[in-house]
Amino acid sequence: DAGITQSPRYKITETGRQVTLMCHQTWSHSYMFWYRQDLGHGLRLIYYSAAADITDKGEVPDGYVVSRSKTENFPLTLESATRSQTSVYFCASSFDSYDYGYTFGSGTRLTVV
Amino acid sequence: AQTVTQSQPEMSVQEAETVTLSCTYDTSESNYYLFWYKQPPSRQMILVIRQEAYKQQNATENRFSVNFQKAAKSFSLKISDSQLGDTAMYFCAFMKQLGGTSYGKLTFGQGTILTVHP
Repeated sequence: DAGITQSPRYKITETGRQVTLMCHQTWSHSYMFWYRQDLGHGLRLIYYSAAADITDKGEVPDGYVVSRSKTENFPLTLESATRSQTSVYFCASSFDSYDYGYTFGSGTRLTVV
Repeated sequence: AQTVTQSQPEMSVQEAETVTLSCTYDTSESNYYLFWYKQPPSRQMILVIRQEAYKQQNATENRFSVNFQKAAKSFSLKISDSQLGDTAMYFCAFMKQLGGTSYGKLTFGQGTILTVHP
């Protein structure tokens, strides 16, 4: 199906484990983003990518790693999960023009126990 | 850095009535975009409406309209004829306009939970 898909939709992991959240888009959008949503904070940018092999930090990058070897994929890895990383994670992509705003995936709810 | 503030954590409205959600922002930029996103219980983020700062005319999308006051840095969302399906969290967001093909990053407010009562 066309669009932007995130997997898994729900994930429970233990403190200290590595976990990877997947994001895949079928539009060949240049720009992709990872946000986390926490009550009282809205959505905060973790990392973004302007193209394959080009990534940069956002507002809250500590503890996260991203890669983008292919335009359509933008995985987010928590190297050693902590309880403070319990959150809902959203991937988004956009056309080259900022006129359209973002298109979001359906989110991954991650719980670190 | 830009900041976006939504001072109403929760609001409620009766079905068919009108409700206004508030948003203020702080920026030194003169060219930018503003957005309202809706997040229903399904968690999906849905773009409701956007406004270009260089346009004086307020954006409208069916029952949704904005009151954009650039000097006051205010960007409120008005929902007319509220429907039960409007129940959701609403986020205000800011994006700086960049040159060429550079793309701006969205800065979000804290969100307002809107409940529409039958």
